[in-house]
Amino acid sequence: AQKVTQAQTEISVVEKEDVTLDCVYETRDTTYYLFWYKQPPSGELVFLIRRNSFDEQNEISGRYSWNFQKSTSSFNFTITASQVVDSAVYFCALSDRYSGNTPLVFGKGTRLSVIA
Amino acid sequence: DVKVTQSSRYLVKRTGEKVFLECVQDMDHENMFWYRQDPGLGLRLIYFSYDVKMKEKGDIPEGYSVSREKKERFSLILESASTNQTSMYLCASSQSLGAADTEAFFGQGTRLTVV
Repeated sequence: AQKVTQAQTEISVVEKEDVTLDCVYETRDTTYYLFWYKQPPSGELVFLIRRNSFDEQNEISGRYSWNFQKSTSSFNFTITASQVVDSAVYFCALSDRYSGNTPLVFGKGTRLSVIA
Repeated sequence: DVKVTQSSRYLVKRTGEKVFLECVQDMDHENMFWYRQDPGLGLRLIYFSYDVKMKEKGDIPEGYSVSREKKERFSLILESASTNQTSMYLCASSQSLGAADTEAFFGQGTRLTVV
């Protein structure tokens, strides 16, 4: 069955520190997609990135970077030089061809607090 | 700017009331979803719909029903609200299902309190 594990429930860092949010997934499919979403205090989930299973290139977008490693079934998210505005709950999610009744499987989220 | 709009940010209802949560999307998406979010449990899928008048149960459908009479609107119904349905409810829409290479778009959430 599909599963996404975010082992870190809460992380607290001081502003300007780098922080990595871990995501480990399970799927029996060879074609799947991984996502990261950010949920700020306002409540709305904001899409950050999508990665398909055939593209293992790491991606960088400003202070954000993602490390996808199929060998360890991980899709980790790093924020460089964190800022207070990065404080949010971050969700990792998986979509595959066997998702069926659960089209998008979410991890339980990691709450990141960045302290000034 | 694409949008998923939920009718209420906050609701307080009494036990036993029938509650309607409304969601509208303007992206002409085929698929719409209702999740509930609880501390420590993440997002859990209640129901989703892949077409008008079509619905599928998610992981936790008990105590809920849905209605999709028009493509852009997906309603979540609590037939008889109970205190254990106090939660944050999130609506989402997407163009594709299963191994989807398109993301889901979310509404701002409705925080429901049942007293």
